[in-house]
Amino acid sequence: GQNIDQPTEMTATEGAIVQINCTYQTSGFNGLFWYQQHAGEAPTFLSYNVLDGLEEKGRFSSFLSRSKGYSYLLLKELQMKDSASYLCAVRESTGNTPLVFGKGTRLSVIA
Amino acid sequence: NAGVTQTPKFRILKIGQSMTLQCAQDMNHNYMYWYRQDPGMGLKLIYYSVGAGITDKGEVPNGYNVSRSTTEYFPLRLELAAPSQTSVYFCASSYPQGHEQFFGPGTRLTVL
Repeated sequence: GQNIDQPTEMTATEGAIVQINCTYQTSGFNGLFWYQQHAGEAPTFLSYNVLDGLEEKGRFSSFLSRSKGYSYLLLKELQMKDSASYLCAVRESTGNTPLVFGKGTRLSVIA
Repeated sequence: NAGVTQTPKFRILKIGQSMTLQCAQDMNHNYMYWYRQDPGMGLKLIYYSVGAGITDKGEVPNGYNVSRSTTEYFPLRLELAAPSQTSVYFCASSYPQGHEQFFGPGTRLTVL
């Protein structure tokens, strides 16, 4: 079976750092993805991890531990425009097989 | 490049009516997907296609049909609309070896 867990909601202050966690239990693993989705809009790709470790891309970083079935998305120097839902998704097998999405974490950035 | 386009943006259907949600992409992507997203929920895969003439069921295919006669178009058909199909529908596409799925703007469907 598939199970991808993320917190439902988080609140953080402008300028701060926030970490959004994702744990997964899937039948296979071939990559973990993070997407950002603003209210009423389509998801947009943020990051991809397939090997253990940290991938940094500007203010956003994503970490993966395959042995623990765990990932996090780290957002630094939070801005009001970072208020959005963040979706964790797993690809279970090789090739471009469809992703399995978690329910998403709604992040509110407050002044 | 228009990317992934979807029509219509909004639609209200009566129970039992049928409709086709249109999806087109101009990036020459082989892979295309249809998802639905209910309030507060993640994306659930309805159908996907790895190329023209090939389609596969996803997690929630019941009540839907798809076809893929060309690389560019991947329409989703609802034959007998039901209130449970009220949702936001997203079409997406990607390269075979790519990491990123590109999403269309979505169609917000209400069935009353």
